[in-house]
Amino acid sequence: GAVVSQHPSWVICKSGTSVKIECRSLDFQATTMFWYRQFPKQSLMLMATSNEGSKATYEQGVEKDKFLINHASLTLSTLTVTSAHPEDSSFYICSALGQGAYEQYFGPGTRLTVT
Amino acid sequence: EDQVTQSPEALRLQEGESSSLNCSYTVSGLRGLFWYRQDPGKGPEFLFTLYSAGEEKEKERLKATLTKKESFLHITAPKPEDSATYLCAVEGGGSEKLVFGKGTKLTVNP
Repeated sequence: GAVVSQHPSWVICKSGTSVKIECRSLDFQATTMFWYRQFPKQSLMLMATSNEGSKATYEQGVEKDKFLINHASLTLSTLTVTSAHPEDSSFYICSALGQGAYEQYFGPGTRLTVT
Repeated sequence: EDQVTQSPEALRLQEGESSSLNCSYTVSGLRGLFWYRQDPGKGPEFLFTLYSAGEEKEKERLKATLTKKESFLHITAPKPEDSATYLCAVEGGGSEKLVFGKGTKLTVNP
């Protein structure tokens, strides 16, 4: 149980375009989902927290107009990187938290490369 | 501010050579301490949750322990497939957010 999927697993896009990443909890309902980014040889940095049906809460320094998060249902959250630039290239990982649970379960990650 | 420090940054072991990874933390109102395993290019895989000092959990060759200031991940007779980065994270202060350490990269040579 507690499986989280992400799609796509990798994506290459041109500078100035937008990219959408999906995160799904497959076998449980996720009241809260989290989005992280990870640079090479570094740990996970939390970008934002989203609760189903409400606006996401962004960490300090994360541009909410650039990283749009939608948590439309208890099993789906999306992260859209708008007007992507090469510095946005990174490994993006989502996690999901079930109701009443303490453990976050992570997706496999999405490798974004902006050229 | 919650902080997590993991040591060592990297550890090389021979197959069968047992050792321990350390996670020191400061947090207000610990709700849980978590251990994850991360393989290159993949998301973290959940291993353990520890809630209170004195608690221990085991899974195959791994055993996690918790005190009021630190947690240890003991690896007994490791195998090459145990090679990965092990991440420690804490949740506290009424928040659901995890604060991660930088991880320990474990390499087990055959």
